[in-house]
Amino acid sequence: DVKVTQSSRYLVKRTGEKVFLECVQDMDHENMFWYRQDPGLGLRLIYFSYDVKMKEKGDIPEGYSVSREKKERFSLILESASTNQTSMYLCASSLGGLSTDTQYFGPGTRLTVL
Amino acid sequence: GDSVTQMEGPVTLSEEAFLTINCTYTATGYPSLFWYVQYPGEGLQLLLKATKADDKGSNKGFEATYRKETTSFHLEKGSVQVSDSAVYFCALSDHRRSARQLTFGSGTQLTVLP
Repeated sequence: DVKVTQSSRYLVKRTGEKVFLECVQDMDHENMFWYRQDPGLGLRLIYFSYDVKMKEKGDIPEGYSVSREKKERFSLILESASTNQTSMYLCASSLGGLSTDTQYFGPGTRLTVL
Repeated sequence: GDSVTQMEGPVTLSEEAFLTINCTYTATGYPSLFWYVQYPGEGLQLLLKATKADDKGSNKGFEATYRKETTSFHLEKGSVQVSDSAVYFCALSDHRRSARQLTFGSGTQLTVLP
C-alpha cells in the first residue's frame, strides 16, 4: 500500500515564526502536492512538484514556499506564519506520467497560528 | 477555469436510507472524475473514479456515473451504514494540466444515525 506520512498531526506556532511541514511518500511517486483544507472551501492547492527540485504554484501560493530535494520528501514552508494560515494541511502524491490521476493523501497536519 | 460544485451539507440520514450526493462540474475537455472520502481524523481516501463519459465507478456499495451531457457525477448508495459517516469530496482532473492536478468541491458532511 502507498503510504504518505506527515511529520506532525498538530502544530501550534506564533505569528512571525518560520514553520516547516514535512511530507514523505514511500512509493517512488513523481508528483507531490500540498493542499490546505478549510471548512466550506474544500481543498485548495498551494504548490505541487512533478520532479525533484521542480515545483509549480497552485491556486493559493502566497505566503508559502516548498522544497523538494529528494524524490520521496516534499516540504511546505511558511516563511512568516500569520493567523490566517491556521488550517489543516494535507500532503498527497501520485504516480506521475499518463498512467493514473489517483492521489494518495497523508493524515494531515492541523496548524494553529496564535 | 475548472470547477466542481457539490450539494451543501450537512446531510443526516438514518441507517439503511438511500444516499445521493450531487456533484456537477465545469471543465474544458474531458476530465477524469473522482469521489474521495475523509473519515474523522484522517486524510482523504479515493472512493471511486471514472475516466470517460458513461463510465460507472463503484466501491463499497457506492456508485457514480460520469454523465457528460449533464456534466454530473452524483454519488449514490442504496443503504448507508453508520460507518459511512464522513466527509465526501467530488473532484476532477484535467488531463491537460501538468501533474494531473485535482480540483475539489467543497465537501459534503454525511452523518448516519443508528
